[in-house]
Amino acid sequence: NAGVTQTPKFQVLKTGQSMTLQCAQDMNHEYMSWYRQDPGMGLRLIHYSVGAGITDQGEVPNGYNVSRSTTEDFPLRLLSAAPSQTSVYFCASSTPPGRGATNTGELFFGEGSRLTVL
Amino acid sequence: AQSVTQLDSQVPVFEEAPVELRCNYSSSVSVYLFWYVQYPNQGLQLLLKYLSGSTLVESINGFEAEFNKSQTSFHLRKPSVHISDTAEYFCAVDTSGGYNKLIFGAGTRLAVHP
Repeated sequence: NAGVTQTPKFQVLKTGQSMTLQCAQDMNHEYMSWYRQDPGMGLRLIHYSVGAGITDQGEVPNGYNVSRSTTEDFPLRLLSAAPSQTSVYFCASSTPPGRGATNTGELFFGEGSRLTVL
Repeated sequence: AQSVTQLDSQVPVFEEAPVELRCNYSSSVSVYLFWYVQYPNQGLQLLLKYLSGSTLVESINGFEAEFNKSQTSFHLRKPSVHISDTAEYFCAVDTSGGYNKLIFGAGTRLAVHP
């Protein structure tokens, strides 16, 4: 099983450039989310989605856009990269609590995308 | 606002010694509590969770955590650690009522030495 697949794994950008981090999951999960991980700060939620066509902002959404046209894909777009967006980005998917309450909170993470903005 | 505090950024320990990783949270609503583990160059994996019921929860590899509502804590313990337990551990809370919008602590790096 592939699980959650993120591409690219590494990327270097110049300030002002735009790019898209791709995320795909093959587990038919309705919930998907993007986190960024920075040293000493843990993971912070950027955007999340509870289903195709439905997205909402998390804790740190500024400078990022998302869309969810299919259940499987949840790309994260950086509109104009800034050095403050240098980070490791993680995509995660999960199931709603109604589909077996024991799944609550079990996020399945990709391996991460390391982004450096110069 | 809800928050999660992991009181130790790094915990060095010798193999076969006991360990406790501390986690406190602040929330005015009911929470679900989690511990995730991250091995080098990998994503996070769920280690254990508390949703309701027994306040002591266990993982398959010997870790346990106890939910203490009065102290708003969810400390992680293991009576005897192995080299393979070396990783970063994250405490997290979900106050979104099960929508899986987790708030993570800053992480604790556990280093097990021979």
